[in-house]
Amino acid sequence: GESVGLHLPTLSVQEGDNSIINCAYSNSASDYFIWYKQESGKGPQFIIDIRSNMDKRQGQRVTVLLNKTVKHLSLQIAATQPGDSAVYFCAENPWGSNYKLTFGKGTLLTVNP
Amino acid sequence: DADVTQTPRNRITKTGKRIMLECSQTKGHDRMYWYRQDPGLGLRLIYYSFDVKDINKGEISDGYSVSRQAQAKFSLSLESAIPNQTALYFCATSGQSVDEQFFGPGTRLTVL
Repeated sequence: GESVGLHLPTLSVQEGDNSIINCAYSNSASDYFIWYKQESGKGPQFIIDIRSNMDKRQGQRVTVLLNKTVKHLSLQIAATQPGDSAVYFCAENPWGSNYKLTFGKGTLLTVNP
Repeated sequence: DADVTQTPRNRITKTGKRIMLECSQTKGHDRMYWYRQDPGLGLRLIYYSFDVKDINKGEISDGYSVSRQAQAKFSLSLESAIPNQTALYFCATSGQSVDEQFFGPGTRLTVL
């Protein structure tokens, strides 16, 4: 079946460094992708999204890159801060579905001071 | 105040008990969802609703039921709780599409 996966379950970076979190998806029909941040004890929080007609989208300190050729999504966080420590996961919306999001398992980002 | 609230935040119960989890939202959204989160797994959809009294099964609806009697409220029930229903449960809302679902803080349920 279709799945959304992550390359690395954990990522540890130094404060101030840039972070890159990766996500592989297998449903070539997906046309909408979201990155969520989940801090300990809290619900997932929307970070940024991108549609399949785009390759790149930038937000505040975050950039999402979409490579449809290899079905790969990445989240780049610039100048990572301790407050960025959380689990990050991607989600995809298969084309034609008006309700379904398929979520990845998540990557734990730890920012060391 | 939070836009999506869930009660209770934590609950410990015994096998066979009936449990109800409540979700309320002030975002004015029509769509509401219930997910469960287990360690090592992504969020999985239990039920979703597009409007009052509209109920749709998600991918793991067995053992659960829901009620949507008002736009702002969506409740999840476990008629007879079992240990493998121990998990984090999240309610979410969205506007007229699946885009950007807003999540509540979650309910940690433990079934002994």
